[in-house]
Amino acid sequence: EAGVVQSPRYKIIEKKQPVAFWCNPISGHNTLYWYLQNLGQGPELLIRYENEEAVDDSQLPKDRFSAERLKGVDSTLKIQPAELGDSAVYLCASSSSSGGAKTQYFGPGTRLLVL
Amino acid sequence: SQKIEQNSEALNIQEGKTATLTCNYTNYSPAYLQWYRQDPGRGPVFLLLIRENEKEKRKERLKVTFDTTLKQSLFHITASQPADSATYLCALGSVLQKVTFGIGTKLQVIP
Repeated sequence: EAGVVQSPRYKIIEKKQPVAFWCNPISGHNTLYWYLQNLGQGPELLIRYENEEAVDDSQLPKDRFSAERLKGVDSTLKIQPAELGDSAVYLCASSSSSGGAKTQYFGPGTRLLVL
Repeated sequence: SQKIEQNSEALNIQEGKTATLTCNYTNYSPAYLQWYRQDPGRGPVFLLLIRENEKEKRKERLKVTFDTTLKQSLFHITASQPADSATYLCALGSVLQKVTFGIGTKLQVIP
């Protein structure tokens, strides 16, 4: 079974430019998460989807960040415009909707460097 | 405010010994607690889950305890091996499925 797929793996952009990250979750997983991870820190939730619905986007900086999950499968996270402080690793994770406690399966992440 | 504390300093232990990592939390009533392993350049990988009504869970060389009175979880790796070297993340989950991660503790097992 394929794991969570993310692309690109690395991205270097200049500040004020837009950038987009793509995530394909594990087949059949209804829940999808986007996290931001800074060096030496734990993952911080940006947004959580249950199927197509964003059920928790309280930590998403909506002035510059946006996300979508059309058809409840793949998801895209966008930053426009990017700032220097956005340099980090962006992790996507997915989990199944069965059971109470959800085990999250993470992708390898996209490492973003904003110059 | 909610706070999760993991030892930010790296833990160095000798191969064969038991590694013990600590996760403390405040202002939180988690429904469950998870431990993940993260290697450099990779996403976290799930290891163990323990629910609020459970005291201890084991899986092979791994053991996790959960004390809701002390607001603490301990994660043990027995007979540690150099391949166990990684960062270990504690994650607390609420009844509403909101999961909050700690900063992780880096474990180095010395041959």
